[in-house]
Amino acid sequence: EAGVAQSPRYKIIEKRQSVAFWCNPISGHATLYWYQQILGQGPKLLIQFQNNGVVDDSQLPKDRFSAERLKGVDSTLKIQPAKLEDSAVYLCASSSDTDNQPQHFGDGTRLSIL
Amino acid sequence: AQSVTQLGSHVSVSEGALVLLRCNYSSSVPPYLFWYVQYPNQGLQLLLKYTSAATLVKGINGFEAEFKKSETSFHLTKPSAHMSDAAEYFCAVSGPGTYKYIFGTGTRLKVLA
Repeated sequence: EAGVAQSPRYKIIEKRQSVAFWCNPISGHATLYWYQQILGQGPKLLIQFQNNGVVDDSQLPKDRFSAERLKGVDSTLKIQPAKLEDSAVYLCASSSDTDNQPQHFGDGTRLSIL
Repeated sequence: AQSVTQLGSHVSVSEGALVLLRCNYSSSVPPYLFWYVQYPNQGLQLLLKYTSAATLVKGINGFEAEFKKSETSFHLTKPSAHMSDAAEYFCAVSGPGTYKYIFGTGTRLKVLA
């Protein structure tokens, strides 16, 4: 089966600019996650969708970050405006609708803020 | 609340030696536990998972982990390290009724020739 697809792989922007990341989960996976992984740290959950509804966005900085999952498939994560501390790898993961099933991760987008 | 502690941010072993990466968890409910590996510039790949069946879990690439409830541990082991095992390893905890993972801070494994 095809894995989780993410694009772009790398992005360099200046602070205060905007950026968007795209994720296509594994076919049939109802749950989709966006993580932020800062260098030297474990992934931190930003937002979790089940189908096209938000389950958990408690750690999403809502003043600058937004995410949507139209039609319960693809998802987009946006940052506007970007800050220096947003430099990180943004990982997308998906899982089936069972709570002991593992999450499958994409290769991530490495974001550098200048 | 759930949490994960990975002791040792960096571990070095010689090729052919035993690999032991430590993970301790805290959970108020019976946990699900996972080990993932991350190679440079790649996403996380599942090594193995514990979901309340056998306490000794075998995973890919010769890795295994043992769930010890009395020690709240889920340490990852491999009898003989290979150069290709050099990567970062993450332990994660989840629980029944939630799909949310809490990750540890990771352990970077270096394999010496």
